[in-house]
Amino acid sequence: GQNIDQPTEMTATEGAIVQINCTYQTSGFNGLFWYQQHAGEAPTFLSYNVLDGLEEKGRFSSFLSRSKGYSYLLLKELQMKDSASYLCAVRRNTGFQKLVFGTGTRLLVSP
Amino acid sequence: DSGVTQTPKHLITATGQRVTLRCSPRSGDLSVYWYQQSLDQGLQFLIQYYNGEERAKGNILERFSAQQFPDLHSELNLSSLELGDSALYFCASSETGTSMNTGELFFGEGSRLTVL
Repeated sequence: GQNIDQPTEMTATEGAIVQINCTYQTSGFNGLFWYQQHAGEAPTFLSYNVLDGLEEKGRFSSFLSRSKGYSYLLLKELQMKDSASYLCAVRRNTGFQKLVFGTGTRLLVSP
Repeated sequence: DSGVTQTPKHLITATGQRVTLRCSPRSGDLSVYWYQQSLDQGLQFLIQYYNGEERAKGNILERFSAQQFPDLHSELNLSSLELGDSALYFCASSETGTSMNTGELFFGEGSRLTVL
């Protein structure tokens, strides 16, 4: 099976930087994804890591350490519209793969 | 717009009833996935189809079934509905569903089911 852990909720201030952590336990790891989901809306893809290191994409960056089973999503220059849930998901190398999602971290950005 | 279309957007029904949710994947995507998201819960994987065949099964109840048709659209059938089945049901699609590509999932807007 797979265990994926994320903090339930985080708060931050507009303009600040926030780091959302995700730890996972799985066999046959084949990629970690971050999705953003606004309340009642569809999840949208943010980033993908399969090798160790940092992937940067504008204000968002994602880091992966496979040996530690650890990833984080870094959001810079926070904006009010960044208030959403951030979902960490893991894919296993089992041929036809599905994504298994953590319960998500609800981020509240205040003025 | 992800390119994945789900209907209906909202559905209200009574316990014991049966409903069908429909999903049209992005053009060219062969894999379709169904997820359930209850209030304050994470996305729970239900089932995956690839080019018409079932490929993976998750926490899908026996009262639920799905299929993918030759034109690649998929339907999720929920029967003998219970109050606890009230949730957002998301459909997602990807190019091949194998390890040969990034495998990013594109989600539809979801079907919100309310069972009274």
